[in-house]
Amino acid sequence: GNSVTQMEGPVTLSEEAFLTINCTYTATGYPSLFWYVQYPGEGLQLLLKATKADDKGSNKGFEATYRKETTSFHLEKGSVQVSDSAVYFCALRSTGNTPLVFGKGTRLSVIA
Amino acid sequence: GAVVSQHPSWVICKSGTSVKIECRSLDFQATTMFWYRQFPKQSLMLMATSNEGSKATYEQGVEKDKFLINHASLTLSTLTVTSAHPEDSSFYICSARKVAGAYNEQFFGPGTRLTVL
Repeated sequence: GNSVTQMEGPVTLSEEAFLTINCTYTATGYPSLFWYVQYPGEGLQLLLKATKADDKGSNKGFEATYRKETTSFHLEKGSVQVSDSAVYFCALRSTGNTPLVFGKGTRLSVIA
Repeated sequence: GAVVSQHPSWVICKSGTSVKIECRSLDFQATTMFWYRQFPKQSLMLMATSNEGSKATYEQGVEKDKFLINHASLTLSTLTVTSAHPEDSSFYICSARKVAGAYNEQFFGPGTRLTVL
């Protein structure tokens, strides 16, 4: 079946540090890939997505590239801020109307 | 973006009682709603998918008689945990999708924390 594996947290970084959160997936066919963010006390929000191989999703300084050869969709940001502290979920959707399948989430804490 | 609300945000109940959780899409019509359960330090596990006006489709291992889902309108779905027990304590999250299609976004509610004593 489809599954998503992402690095375990928590991840603690100083402000302006470089962020990478690894995500790999297993899926049949050509899934769409997503990163969601959950700020404290809020619902999950779509951060970025990519729908085909070599696509790069980007938003708010975050980027992730759909790598089919390595079945990966790693999240990166060049300079994190305290406001980026949240839980980040990698997810995939295989095709059609299928629901999202999530990784376990990675908690990021950015300290000033 | 579209807004999904859940009510209540948290609930504490005694073992054996039933609890109803509401999920509403506030500014769009949701043809499909999903219910997820999240355990501490774990991922969101899909419980069921419901389409307005039809019976919910439950994931393997989810008891349909225990977790009753009703999607009576295009803006409201409810999850009722019947005869709740401490092992049902969890964080329940609903998600709504605007229209059917391959890449239409799912919007998430803030979740409901259920504690069964």
